[in-house]
Amino acid sequence: GESVGLHLPTLSVQEGDNSIINCAYSNSASDYFIWYKQESGKGPQFIIDIRSNMDKRQGQRVTVLLNKTVKHLSLQIAATQPGDSAVYFCAERNGANNLFFGTGTRLTVIP
Amino acid sequence: SAVISQKPSRDICQRGTSLTIQCQVDSQVTMMFWYRQQPGQSLTLIATANQGSEATYESGFVIDKFPISRPNLTFSTLTVSNMSPEDSSIYLCSVEVVGQGSNEKLFFGSGTQLSVL
Repeated sequence: GESVGLHLPTLSVQEGDNSIINCAYSNSASDYFIWYKQESGKGPQFIIDIRSNMDKRQGQRVTVLLNKTVKHLSLQIAATQPGDSAVYFCAERNGANNLFFGTGTRLTVIP
Repeated sequence: SAVISQKPSRDICQRGTSLTIQCQVDSQVTMMFWYRQQPGQSLTLIATANQGSEATYESGFVIDKFPISRPNLTFSTLTVSNMSPEDSSIYLCSVEVVGQGSNEKLFFGSGTQLSVL
């Protein structure tokens, strides 16, 4: 499958600060990208998605940036809260419509 | 969105036995998938569960080890056969839902935590 990896396996931030989680992907043909949040003992939860014809998309407190030139994806969380502590995965969809997940980054919010 | 019920939520099994995991969705969906998440790792796609036909398996996964059923558009099962400790993982059912603007979203069940002794 495709290689989707993350630069930082762990990230600790102070409550109220902004968080940035990065992801690199290898398949230049991927057309759709998703960020998921996984809390302990739960399945991944959809956060935000972006198509390859966009370079930025905003949600509630979250922003996803896509740089197709360097095949890089990032998730920005504004005013990080303790409830944001989780493992975050990026995923890319290839031409066969299958979703491939990155390694994951564990975000810890320090009160 | 879709509400996905997966059971059992966890199980401890003996080597050589088999376990069948059930996935029930609250609405009809075309695409259903089964993923594996090994301890501390990311999700790996096992197969696409096709309604009315054989599942489509990813490289490294075979039907004899992971038989899948998909009798209708709301239900699927995954069996982990002849288990070994290496099969200890979280197994996740997921469904694809097409929303507004033809944006597909993948939703996940809570997973089945399997431990093989």
